[in-house]
Order: sequence, then C-alpha cells, then structure tokens
Amino acid sequence: QITLKESGPTLVKPTQTLTLTCSFSGFSLSSRGEGVAWIRQPPGKALEWLALIYWDDDTLYSPSLKSRLTITKDTSKSQVVLKMTNVDPADTATYYCAHREVSEMGNWFDAWGLGALVTVSS
Amino acid sequence: QSVLTQPPSVSGAPGQRVTISCTGTSSNIGAGYVVHWYQQLPGTAPKLVMYDNNIRPSGVPDRFSGSKSGASASLAITGLQAGDEADYYCQSYDNSLSGSVVFGGGTKLTVL
Repeated sequence: QITLKESGPTLVKPTQTLTLTCSFSGFSLSSRGEGVAWIRQPPGKALEWLALIYWDDDTLYSPSLKSRLTITKDTSKSQVVLKMTNVDPADTATYYCAHREVSEMGNWFDAWGLGALVTVSS
Repeated sequence: QSVLTQPPSVSGAPGQRVTISCTGTSSNIGAGYVVHWYQQLPGTAPKLVMYDNNIRPSGVPDRFSGSKSGASASLAITGLQAGDEADYYCQSYDNSLSGSVVFGGGTKLTVL
C-alpha cells in the first residue's frame, strides 16, 4: 500500500522560500518508472500541478512556476522535497504530493497525501 | 485559467445519469494524450476514479465510465448516489512549453 504525507510550515512570510517535504512508503523512488509529483489547490479553487521528479532524477516543472521551483529526492529517506522561492499571498494553498503511475499511454496520480495547508501572509 | 475546460457545475437527481465534459486543444487531448479523472469529496484529497480515458481503478464502481473523442473527454456517472456529490477534475498532458501535466478547472456535481 502506497502512502504519502506532506510536512512543512503552515505560515510563511511573503518573499521567503517555502520548503515542503513529502515522506512516502510502499514504493522506492530508485525503482525504474517511479515518480512523485507536487500539486496545489488554493482555497476554493482548482488543482494546479507544480512539479514531478522521476526515479532517474529527471524533473518536470510547471512552465508558469519553473523559475521558482526546485524538486529533489532523497531515496534513502523515501522523501521528496519541493522548494518554492519568493512566495506571495497568491501561493496560499493546500499542497499535495502524489505518486505517479504510468502506462504506455499516460501518467496519472494513483495515491495522494492528505495535503498541507500553507498560508502566505506577513 | 485552467488549460482543460470543464463546466463549473452539473446536477442530477438520485438514480439519474450525468456526464462531465473536459475540453482540451491540439496540444493536449487533441494531440492524442489520454485523460484521467479524480473525485474530490469535501475536505479530502483527490481520488483517482478513471485513468487512460476509460479504465476504472480497483474499487471504483462500474457506475463510473469514461470516454474520449477528438479534443474532448467525458466522465459519466449512472445511478447517481448522494455519496457521488463532489468536485471532479480531469487531467492530461500538454506538449507545449516543454511539456506539462494539466488539470481541468473542476466540476461541482450536486445530487439533488
């Protein structure tokens, strides 16, 4: 059974760097084909994909946020870390990490963490 | 504004059938990329209910079905139940701007 859990600060000041950690179990991010994504959801709004990291350290970022995001993994700790620089109140959201599943045709997210609400405010 | 377009809301009475549409463009669904669907009950994380256009994960009732045609996809729910009331999101891949995962804006399903 795959489980994921997000952790990090609940309140961040504007212009600061937000660091979120996803701790997971039930799979190894060193195994071929595995991947973990970060997805966020502002209060009352839609899901927004942020970043994805693959077993081979390849990464994919949202084009609109690419300059502000860094996703890394620590396979030995079964963790994925997302850093977002220069945060703004518009970054207030629930941040989810999710396990990527894959077929010959596409990628989807078959397991999600409970989410971590991050508020950006001075 | 989301890359994939969904109706903000749909509704139906218990037992009825509803469909939720997801419209894309030539750089995502229209390019042949598959569509996946998630159900988000109030206050909870999203849950996968359909992948690769029309495949139900284990545990998802066969009242849920998916289809895709051209640059659009649909999620149909038959035999509506109160427990189906949730937000539904479609997801695909977009090959513009170095490629990215894209979601729809979400559809609120209300069971009357």
